[in-house]
Amino acid sequence: AQTVTQSQPEMSVQEAETVTLSCTYDTSESDYYLFWYKQPPSRQMILVIRQEAYKQQNATENRFSVNFQKAAKSFSLKISDSQLGDAAMYFCAYRTPGGAQKLVFGQGTRLTINP
Amino acid sequence: DARVTQTPRHKVTEMGQEVTMRCQPILGHNTVFWYRQTMMQGLELLAYFRNRAPLDDSGMPKDRFSAEMPDATLATLKIQPSEPRDSAVYFCASGLGATRSPLHFGNGTRLTVT
Repeated sequence: AQTVTQSQPEMSVQEAETVTLSCTYDTSESDYYLFWYKQPPSRQMILVIRQEAYKQQNATENRFSVNFQKAAKSFSLKISDSQLGDAAMYFCAYRTPGGAQKLVFGQGTRLTINP
Repeated sequence: DARVTQTPRHKVTEMGQEVTMRCQPILGHNTVFWYRQTMMQGLELLAYFRNRAPLDDSGMPKDRFSAEMPDATLATLKIQPSEPRDSAVYFCASGLGATRSPLHFGNGTRLTVT
């Protein structure tokens, strides 16, 4: 079964600094998709960024970028120029190809932004 | 912006009562998921539908939980009878039937069973 591990339950960063959130996953598939979701206190799950496993180029969305290492099964999220509004729980997720196509989530990392 | 709509947003009920949570997926989405979020277990998949047909409900306690899609615009999750351990936030998510498509989540229903 696929598993997703986020080894950092909590992280903090100074406003305007850069922070990296870690994620590793376990799969025997070669084609799959990875996502980062943000959950602010409002509890809405918001898609931050996604990565297709067959693409070597790391995905980027404005201040958010990923470091995708397929061989190492690692998918970290980098937030540049951190802002107070980035404070939230961040979930890494793997989506199974074919079949149920369900999203498997990590346990989450709570990110605090210090002003 | 198209959104997944969940009702109610909050529900407090007594143990043994029936609870029904509703979800309106985004128009045109053919996959619907129910997730449960707790501090201890994180986000757990309860059930999954594609084109209104249940494909995977292995994560759902069958004796008390049931999930249905009476039509393409409505998904329901019922708990009967409810127990205090069912207290959690229940999320509905919808998406297109393609792996690259992200899931869009509703705001969740916070259920408290006393």
